[in-house]
Amino acid sequence: AQSVTQLGSHVSVSEGALVLLRCNYSSSVPPYLFWYVQYPNQGLQLLLKYTSAATLVKGINGFEAEFKKSETSFHLTKPSAHMSDAAEYFCAVTQSYNTDKLIFGTGTRLQVFP
Amino acid sequence: EPEVTQTPSHQVTQMGQEVILRCVPISNHLYFYWYRQILGQKVEFLVSFYNNEISEKSEIFDDQFSVERPDGSNFTLKIRSTKLEDSAMYFCATGRGAYEQYFGPGTRLTVT
Repeated sequence: AQSVTQLGSHVSVSEGALVLLRCNYSSSVPPYLFWYVQYPNQGLQLLLKYTSAATLVKGINGFEAEFKKSETSFHLTKPSAHMSDAAEYFCAVTQSYNTDKLIFGTGTRLQVFP
Repeated sequence: EPEVTQTPSHQVTQMGQEVILRCVPISNHLYFYWYRQILGQKVEFLVSFYNNEISEKSEIFDDQFSVERPDGSNFTLKIRSTKLEDSAMYFCATGRGAYEQYFGPGTRLTVT
């Protein structure tokens, strides 16, 4: 079975600081991995995805994530946080075949302080 | 930019009543999904739908749930007899391909 673990339910950074949101996955088959962002009272917006091409994936709003098979990780980073990045971030995994259902992590709430 | 839309944004219903949640997919999307998020819990997969039939469903998606595309555009989730534990945010997602899901803003269902 597949699963995703997001370390840290809350992360706080100062504006301009590095953002690092952690995601580790478990999968017995090659995974596809995703990061979604949810702003207050809105739906889930796809930030970026890894589908077995380049291991370093660039997404919207300056975010990127690196797939590291040896560490079973897919951490999300942004060099410089902006106030507008404050939101909840979800990591999700699916298999590369047989299914496309997304298995989500519990989410990490990012706070950005001025 | 095209978006997935969902109606209503909030639905309050009494236990035992039927509810229908509606989703308008992005035009030319062929894959459709429903997920739900109970307050304070993970987003959970309910069902996927492709080529006018269910392609996969979770254990949650029992006989009380059904999905359809009645007019070729809207994608609906029906709960026949709601229970208190059905209270959740229900998200519709659609995609051109199987591995790119775009989510709607959700319908908050409250069962009293």
